[in-house]
Amino acid sequence: SQQGEEDPQALSIQEGENATMNCSYKTSINNLQWYRQNSGRGLVHLILIRSNEREKHSGRLRVTLDTSKKSSSLLITASRAADTASYFCATVNAGNNRKLIWGLGTSLAVNP
Amino acid sequence: GAVVSQHPSWVICKSGTSVKIECRSLDFQATTMFWYRQFPKQSLMLMATSNEGSKATYEQGVEKDKFLINHASLTLSTLTVTSAHPEDSSFYICSARDTRLRTSGIRSYEQYFGPGTRLTVT
Repeated sequence: SQQGEEDPQALSIQEGENATMNCSYKTSINNLQWYRQNSGRGLVHLILIRSNEREKHSGRLRVTLDTSKKSSSLLITASRAADTASYFCATVNAGNNRKLIWGLGTSLAVNP
Repeated sequence: GAVVSQHPSWVICKSGTSVKIECRSLDFQATTMFWYRQFPKQSLMLMATSNEGSKATYEQGVEKDKFLINHASLTLSTLTVTSAHPEDSSFYICSARDTRLRTSGIRSYEQYFGPGTRLTVT
């Protein structure tokens, strides 16, 4: 079942701009992960942030986690046309059998 | 590394036939694999959890007799869509859970995803 929600559902920006996507979830989590999916392709794992972490960086990616608000954000800085893809957050619930619970995704279009 | 492959990458079949999709972990053993389906412009929906040597655990609303899962070895899980119908047309994605101990001594339980299989039933 889906428990996460991402906003916006769709985002269109110009190359060089920053893109911010948000994800909210409903239950206590062990960790939260962000994935990218190019159209019709498989998933690429971007970054994992644990429940005791508040911020994490990886290259042009910055992820924040606010467990009090049950939300996370993914920031892509200096976006490129190649960043055009759908981005999904997924959570692993605390005490769960470690299934991934998926958000609905944000479709990002970076225009050259 | 942790690479997961799926075969075939795409398949077209006639209504009423069965189709088997394979998911392999290439460089690690996976006691647990997951099968998802994804409709166009939608998120992933977990169909079932495949456990090596035991029966799969299906999510609510997923017909186990329709979607047969076999996890006969630590590196291979198969999903068979039986008596396929056009409404079964979808993108099927598998993932394998890597439970190897890290150098930190902690297991990450990270899932690695296959590239997906596009099924079209005519």
